[in-house]
Amino acid sequence: GESVGLHLPTLSVQEGDNSIINCAYSNSASDYFIWYKQESGKGPQFIIDIRSNMDKRQGQRVTVLLNKTVKHLSLQIAATQPGDSAVYFCAEKTPVGATNKLIFGTGTLLAVQP
Amino acid sequence: DGGITQSPKYLFRKEGQNVTLSCEQNLNHDAMYWYRQDPGQGLRLIYYSQIVNDFQKGDIAEGYSVSREKKESFPLTVTSAQKNPTAFYLCASSVGTGSQPQHFGDGTRLSIL
Repeated sequence: GESVGLHLPTLSVQEGDNSIINCAYSNSASDYFIWYKQESGKGPQFIIDIRSNMDKRQGQRVTVLLNKTVKHLSLQIAATQPGDSAVYFCAEKTPVGATNKLIFGTGTLLAVQP
Repeated sequence: DGGITQSPKYLFRKEGQNVTLSCEQNLNHDAMYWYRQDPGQGLRLIYYSQIVNDFQKGDIAEGYSVSREKKESFPLTVTSAQKNPTAFYLCASSVGTGSQPQHFGDGTRLSIL
């Protein structure tokens, strides 16, 4: 799910199918991860988060899976709806000196076909 | 409703002009942030503030300035020193700088005339 240049990777799914969006994170010391949804012209909207002491967390229609061995995060959306169409990106919280920093991925465009 | 309000939604800047973007939150959050979003790139941190009357430079602070005189407000000024200001600017806030999500406003799109 990482983008190259100006072109976001796109995941196209049929309405009602399940969607899986992937994210590779950079720092093995990162201990907190967030998924955001961003619709065109709007700010990112918090979906779900997970701490590094967990490998799975479920919300309403969404599940986040964390694989620390390969530094991989995924977001699963069940029964995808047209309103789910948006750019999804992950963020990792990583220690920087005495503070923390959120590093954001570039995103994946989810296109839901009716 | 509790949330983060950014204004204006669209802003145009003339050459040599400073412009100020507003960000107000009523979530009682201590920490506030300014990010810049460009096409195909992840959000980049401009400035952040962990508490009133304190703020720190982020990764791309050159050409920008901020103030944090009130807990609710964190305005960003884009100065004439910022040579490539055209972007989508996002303000966020969080309870603290630990493992809590940042919540975002709906952004200001800045363009050059």
